[in-house]
Amino acid sequence: DAKTTQPPSMDCAEGRAANLPCNHSTISGNEYVYWYRQIHSQGPQYIIHGLKNNETNEMASLIITEDRKSSTLILPHATLRDTAVYYCIVRDVYGGSQGNLIFGKGTKLSVKP
Amino acid sequence: DTGVSQNPRHKITKRGQNVTFRCDPISEHNRLYWYRQTLGQGPEFLTYFQNEAQLEKSRLLSDRFSAERPKGSFSTLEIQRTEQGDSAMYLCASSMTGVQPQHFGDGTRLSIL
Repeated sequence: DAKTTQPPSMDCAEGRAANLPCNHSTISGNEYVYWYRQIHSQGPQYIIHGLKNNETNEMASLIITEDRKSSTLILPHATLRDTAVYYCIVRDVYGGSQGNLIFGKGTKLSVKP
Repeated sequence: DTGVSQNPRHKITKRGQNVTFRCDPISEHNRLYWYRQTLGQGPEFLTYFQNEAQLEKSRLLSDRFSAERPKGSFSTLEIQRTEQGDSAMYLCASSMTGVQPQHFGDGTRLSIL
């Protein structure tokens, strides 16, 4: 089972920041937080990942709380093309199951004009 | 970087037939993963390879399923004696290492008549 909890859906106005929360209260020390998104009829697209520190790239920012039990993905200026299902995944990259990304149901983000 | 390529994009076949899908990973990625995704669900892990070695298989991978990566480059996923429940999107992903993110192809959609 997925080790994360996300709201099933969210709306965001075009041009505004989209803040997508993720709860991972049972995360362990070796587990990274990964974010992917999936636009209809396409494969999941990698967005960003982190362990402890906040991370930023050209797509988004990842804010991880100090206790690492939750995180927020921030899309700073959402566009209509950001409408997708967003998945938050925790993964132990050094553990026994190194191949396994466990996807939950994600958050369906709808960006509206 | 040409991305992960999957062929065919769509496959329609009759129940009981065998089907084979191909995945070409990003060059120099030594890890290759297969996932399955049904409507409304997140992708589910099937199996993964490091170079030509198949290192992990999910319990979802029944005896009718077989995956190969003979030269450590492209991979094939074969389903024998297809059943109605095999209808799904079959996704392939590749990565350089366990920490580096997996990059997905756009999948092969299988429909069983």
